[in-house]
Amino acid sequence: SAVISQKPSRDICQRGTSLTIQCQVDSQVTMMFWYRQQPGQSLTLIATANQGSEATYESGFVIDKFPISRPNLTFSTLTVSNMSPEDSSIYLCSAQRALTSYNEQFFGPGTRLTVL
Amino acid sequence: SQQGEEDPQALSIQEGENATMNCSYKTSINNLQWYRQNSGRGLVHLILIRSNEREKHSGRLRVTLDTSKKSSSLLITASRAADTASYFCATVVYGNKLVFGAGTILRVKS
Repeated sequence: SAVISQKPSRDICQRGTSLTIQCQVDSQVTMMFWYRQQPGQSLTLIATANQGSEATYESGFVIDKFPISRPNLTFSTLTVSNMSPEDSSIYLCSAQRALTSYNEQFFGPGTRLTVL
Repeated sequence: SQQGEEDPQALSIQEGENATMNCSYKTSINNLQWYRQNSGRGLVHLILIRSNEREKHSGRLRVTLDTSKKSSSLLITASRAADTASYFCATVVYGNKLVFGAGTILRVKS
């Protein structure tokens, strides 16, 4: 398994500002992902964080709004830019050890974001 | 977009009873996974069943997979108050991407 921590655990932000969420894994992993969970909803994949290259975004998510960095095999950040109340969600990062699709993903505790 | 649909949306049972949650999906899969989420926090991986498996057990959990019907079920036996959580199925459609179902909110009353 992998232990994943996220910072901050929660934040309340003003519209128009940006927030950067950090995700730290306790060991090197191959894959890292970012998800959004809107209130009362399920998880939606935002992007795959690629080490040393640009993230791969899912339909409906763009780099200008959700820039992602992954400088090494244990760390990634997600920035929520120019926030609006519609961005109020829980943001979760996850990690997967190997490239095989049979491996489960391990999730961080999430960052609960409220935009006023 | 979400692939899985889960039912029921919410389930309330007494401690000691069994809880069954169902998940349906639309496309061919590599495997299907079940996760638990407590109070809007991080997800905990429960069990993974491969597309060539039909049933799998882990402790009080039993998962079945019917690829012909594109459906799976999660059975929690002898439920406990600590099982109160949201349960999500997730499919690996291609690559390593998980597509999550809508989830079932389980409440176990003591």
